[in-house]
Amino acid sequence: AQRVTQPEKLLSVFKGAPVELKCNYSYSGSPELFWYVQYSRQRLQLLLRHISRESIKGFTADLNKGETSFHLKKPFAQEEDSAMYYCAGGGSNYKLTFGKGTLLTVNP
Amino acid sequence: KAGVTQTPRYLIKTRGQQVTLSCSPISGHRSVSWYQQTPGQGLQFLFEYFSETQRNKGNFPGRFSGRQFSNSRSEMNVSTLELGDSALYLCASSPDSRIPYEQYFGPGTRLTVT
Repeated sequence: AQRVTQPEKLLSVFKGAPVELKCNYSYSGSPELFWYVQYSRQRLQLLLRHISRESIKGFTADLNKGETSFHLKKPFAQEEDSAMYYCAGGGSNYKLTFGKGTLLTVNP
Repeated sequence: KAGVTQTPRYLIKTRGQQVTLSCSPISGHRSVSWYQQTPGQGLQFLFEYFSETQRNKGNFPGRFSGRQFSNSRSEMNVSTLELGDSALYLCASSPDSRIPYEQYFGPGTRLTVT
């Protein structure tokens, strides 16, 4: 069964500190992995997809097949990064499976 | 382009009633997915449609159904409502019909069952 796990419900860091949001997945085959973000009073939106290997708003995520992880990282957190972050995975069955999300708070 | 729109935005229904929610995808997007979002379970996949065909369905009872029209607009229906159906229902559309995971979400319909 497809499964995406985000072990931390809440994560609090100070502005300027590094941040890492953890995501582990369990999939058969080669899934596509994504990070979605929801800022306060805004819609859920795509942040990153693993195949594009790009940096968005200073965030990067590396797919580690050995550890079945897709952690989201940013070297210096900003207050505007405070949001709900969801890791998601999709296989060949048109179904996107979301983790339960991590609420990131960046304190001034 | 206009974003994904969902109507109505808020609904209050009574147990036993049925409800229909509507979703209009971004113009040109032909894949539409539906999710139920609750504080306890998070985002759970309901179904995905492409070209009027349901390609996958999540683990929900048969009271949950959906359809897609030829213009890609989609509706979902919940019959015999239960208190546990209270949730935010999200619709998302994707420009890629082959791998529909780059999704654009609507604002959701907040359903309250009393």
